[in-house]
Amino acid sequence: QKEVEQDPGPLSVPEGAIVSLNCTYSNSAFQYFMWYRQYSRKGPELLMYTYSSGNKEDGRFTAQVDKSSKYISLFIRDSQPSDSATYLCAMCESGGGADGLTFGKGTHLIIQP
Amino acid sequence: DVKVTQSSRYLVKRTGEKVFLECVQDMDHENMFWYRQDPGLGLRLIYFSYDVKMKEKGDIPEGYSVSREKKERFSLILESASTNQTSMYLCASSRQEAKNIQYFGAGTRLSVL
Repeated sequence: QKEVEQDPGPLSVPEGAIVSLNCTYSNSAFQYFMWYRQYSRKGPELLMYTYSSGNKEDGRFTAQVDKSSKYISLFIRDSQPSDSATYLCAMCESGGGADGLTFGKGTHLIIQP
Repeated sequence: DVKVTQSSRYLVKRTGEKVFLECVQDMDHENMFWYRQDPGLGLRLIYFSYDVKMKEKGDIPEGYSVSREKKERFSLILESASTNQTSMYLCASSRQEAKNIQYFGAGTRLSVL
């Protein structure tokens, strides 16, 4: 089973707020967890990825993985209007090979100035 | 910078036409992918390729075929376009040892009338 659940939103928050975006999944074999950002009329771009459980921080962005709960999160601190986009979580079982990723449906985020 | 270029941003075709979507990457990546993206359904994998002339079906290959004659180029073919193939088509590429890090093109929005 490959299903990944993600709330489509829209999620609207004021500038400067902390944003929490989440995905749940059912396949316990998933080991790599990615967050892609997609601006309107553009292709997705990779924001961050984590391997297995734990946290990873990159500037204002923090990715968290809880494999025991099959739950991943992306936190955005000090959110900016330029963060307004659709955020897609994606997962796969191994880093190598060639088969594709399993994506969530994406959460549309709006940061109000 | 990795660049994945899709030949057309917008295409309008008629039912029954044969449609070619072209994708070129400039990073010597082994893997290339075709996804379609629909509202409420997210990204779904159509076909992928891990080497020249090699191809594998993804989750929704029906009605599509692909061609990879050169490493840098991956084509998606709609043999006889139908209205339910109206969608955003996204091409991506990755190194084989890091398939979780995929680079996407800007997408082709195809309308089949």
